[in-house]
Amino acid sequence: EDQVTQSPEALRLQEGESSSLNCSYTVSGLRGLFWYRQDPGKGPEFLFTLYSAGEEKEKERLKATLTKKESFLHITAPKPEDSATYLCAVPPAFSGGYNKLIFGAGTRLAVHP
Amino acid sequence: EAGVVQSPRYKIIEKKQPVAFWCNPISGHNTLYWYLQNLGQGPELLIRYENEEAVDDSQLPKDRFSAERLKGVDSTLKIQPAELGDSAVYLCASSVNDGNEQFFGPGTRLTVL
Repeated sequence: EDQVTQSPEALRLQEGESSSLNCSYTVSGLRGLFWYRQDPGKGPEFLFTLYSAGEEKEKERLKATLTKKESFLHITAPKPEDSATYLCAVPPAFSGGYNKLIFGAGTRLAVHP
Repeated sequence: EAGVVQSPRYKIIEKKQPVAFWCNPISGHNTLYWYLQNLGQGPELLIRYENEEAVDDSQLPKDRFSAERLKGVDSTLKIQPAELGDSAVYLCASSVNDGNEQFFGPGTRLTVL
């Protein structure tokens, strides 16, 4: 069964304390992995798409990496405004395209000054 | 550019009552999605439209849920009758056809008493 597991469920950091969030998946023939950010009371906001193992993408203090089994979202010197829930998602095997996504439960990140 | 618009933002109803949610996607986005998000979980796809056609409704509980997108633009999701377990956030999203980046609305938080 296609599955996405994120860890940790929650993470508390001090401002400037770098860390990583993990997204592991069990999908045959991965065609892409998506990272979204969700603020309280809002819908998810797209961050990155990674298409193949070894690929990396960066945006401000965030860097996403992908291996054949998992993805990491590295947060360097985080600020309080980085506090949010970070969701990863993959298209299920044999679904075609990226229109159908399986989301993980997310990691709730809190960055304190 | 206006984002995905959803209304109402909050709805409280008694069980067994009907309820409807409305979504207006980003202009030019052919694909529209309705998701269900329970507390502490990632979004789960209920139904996906390409233009007016529902191309994936496999996760929609058809005994009580219905949806329409009559002119290929805005969409309505209905629940009749609502049950206690339907309490959740209902998210609408839209994308261009390839679905590579989905844009989410703020969601409707439904509480069934």
